[in-house]
Amino acid sequence: ETGVTQSPTHLIKTRGQQVTLRCSSQSGHNTVSWYQQALGQGPQFIFQYYREEENGRGNFPPRFSGLQFPNYSSELNVNALELDDSALYLCASSLRDRVHEQYFGPGTRLTVT
Amino acid sequence: ILNVEQSPQSLHVQEGDSTNFTCSFPSSNFYALHWYRWETAKSPEALFVMTLNGDEKKKGRISATLNTKEGYSYLYIKGSQPEDSATYLCAFPDLLYNQGGKLIFGQGTELSVKP
Repeated sequence: ETGVTQSPTHLIKTRGQQVTLRCSSQSGHNTVSWYQQALGQGPQFIFQYYREEENGRGNFPPRFSGLQFPNYSSELNVNALELDDSALYLCASSLRDRVHEQYFGPGTRLTVT
Repeated sequence: ILNVEQSPQSLHVQEGDSTNFTCSFPSSNFYALHWYRWETAKSPEALFVMTLNGDEKKKGRISATLNTKEGYSYLYIKGSQPEDSATYLCAFPDLLYNQGGKLIFGQGTELSVKP
């Protein structure tokens, strides 16, 4: 059974640029959630995808967007990067009927300069 | 706004010490409480899913208890080892949002065990 994987591991971008982060779900999982962990805080829910549609969103602006693909993998896109977007971005996958039992990837560390 | 709090923020112990830390969560609309263990540069690893008041779960030297009426869970580590060094996170599914698919996390307890 393959766990959740994320790419890239690290990324450095400049303010104003756009970034795409990628996530592959654990085998058989059909729901993907994204979280942002800023320094000194717990992970914060960004949004969740199921059946290729956004299925819930946290308190993040529209410049944070996502996609889910037919194979359940997912992308997180962030436009017009700001310095405060520097954080660890975690992806988690789950089954729809046990959506709170989430399995996490190792994260992508984004630094915005 | 739901709030999940963990204490202490960090803990430094010697090998062999037993330790415990706390997760406080809203006592209303309770569904489950998750504990994760997170080593640096790795994925958060699910330790326990606690669902019933009075639950006690054990995995090796690590155990957890749950009190849903007062809204807290304790995580205990007996005879800490250096490999227990990690951040321990608790997470509370927000049932009023996305059928519990939104996890509300505490800020974590960072445990460091010195040999």
